[in-house]
Amino acid sequence: AQKVTQAQTEISVVEKEDVTLDCVYETRDTTYYLFWYKQPPSGELVFLIRRNSFDEQNEISGRYSWNFQKSTSSFNFTITASQVVDSAVYFCALSEVYGTYNQGGKLIFGQGTELSVKP
Amino acid sequence: SQTIHQWPATLVQPVGSPLSLECTVEGTSNPNLYWYRQAAGRGLQLLFYSVGIGQISSEVPQNLSASRPQDRQFILSSKKLLLSDSGFYLCAWRARGSSYEQYFGPGTRLTVT
Repeated sequence: AQKVTQAQTEISVVEKEDVTLDCVYETRDTTYYLFWYKQPPSGELVFLIRRNSFDEQNEISGRYSWNFQKSTSSFNFTITASQVVDSAVYFCALSEVYGTYNQGGKLIFGQGTELSVKP
Repeated sequence: SQTIHQWPATLVQPVGSPLSLECTVEGTSNPNLYWYRQAAGRGLQLLFYSVGIGQISSEVPQNLSASRPQDRQFILSSKKLLLSDSGFYLCAWRARGSSYEQYFGPGTRLTVT
């Protein structure tokens, strides 16, 4: 069965600390995509990154970095030198390419991790 | 560039009243469209999706319905709202043949009283 687990419900850090958000997924498909979204207090989900199952290279974008490891079915997200503006709920999501859940291009979301960055 | 609109932004409705939420996408053709609900507690629940005009797939049985009268218009409706329909409703689109990421609208916050 397809599943995305974000075990950390809430994380609180002080500004400038590094923080890692964990994401573990389950799928029987060999071809799939993984995503991270940010939901600030305003509510709109903002797309951050997409990773396909054949690309395990880590990615860095400014203070954000992502670590994809197929061996552990994990796709973790690290924020370096966190800032107050990073406070939000972060969602990890999975989309299978060939599995039955692919109909319509549906995404399977984790439950989200609420990150609070205090000044 | 593509943009997605939702209205209204907020809505307070009494139990038993009808509902109509609208979503439109600009700058793309023949997108897949999605309605999600997010209750307090954060999880995102997929309600409906559509791969074309008049084609609606329902994910969760409930008193809500969806329609797609035009290529880039997606409407969420109810004939009689329940208290449990309260939540944050998000519309999303995805380009055909894309890498599967969805792009979300600003959402509608619905309170049923």
